[in-house]
Amino acid sequence: DGGITQSPKYLFRKEGQNVTLSCEQNLNHDAMYWYRQDPGQGLRLIYYSQIVNDFQKGDIAEGYSVSREKKESFPLTVTSAQKNPTAFYLCASTKRGNTGELFFGEGSRLTVL
Amino acid sequence: DQQVKQNSPSLSVQEGRISILNCDYTNSMFDYFLWYKKYPAEGPTFLISISSIKDKNEDGRFTVFLNKSAKHLSLHIVPSQPGDSAVYFCAASAGGVVTGGGNKLTFGTGTQLKVEL
Repeated sequence: DGGITQSPKYLFRKEGQNVTLSCEQNLNHDAMYWYRQDPGQGLRLIYYSQIVNDFQKGDIAEGYSVSREKKESFPLTVTSAQKNPTAFYLCASTKRGNTGELFFGEGSRLTVL
Repeated sequence: DQQVKQNSPSLSVQEGRISILNCDYTNSMFDYFLWYKKYPAEGPTFLISISSIKDKNEDGRFTVFLNKSAKHLSLHIVPSQPGDSAVYFCAASAGGVVTGGGNKLTFGTGTQLKVEL
């Protein structure tokens, strides 16, 4: 079955550590996205990539980094510079030519201890 | 600056009745609107969408209405069922109709719908 796989589902990190969240899709989608969900704040866009080897900052990119070396993969690194990293992170993808209907993974919950 | 607003954080409706979820937006460049449904600890799933060239789109029990002059859209669910209990997010994109290409979405803060027996 095609879909988006995020791992790990739960992750704990000590302050000052970088952590990388994995996102893989086998939908042959061109565009991939990372969102963050906080209580009462909805989903906010961190980074997105429309094509391999290219990505753009979203609304809250500070303290995060991404790479897009393969069409299928869009990992997100939460760096120690991110001041409030505890959140639910969602990866999504969509076809080129699609008018915005995103397919989401099941999410990764990051907790900083 | 919240460009997509869902002013009701929660809504409670009896099974079989109509649920109406509202969404307002401020960016006049938005031309494509979507509703997503989300269960706890899961990713959102697409429900229904509408482009700015329409004022209504229907899919089974779900209907979305768009009032461009008021910059307002609403999602109607009728009849409501207990399985509809979830958080509903309104989302919008700009240039989606024109370019048709994978544009980033701006989400509202969500409305928690509870359908009671």
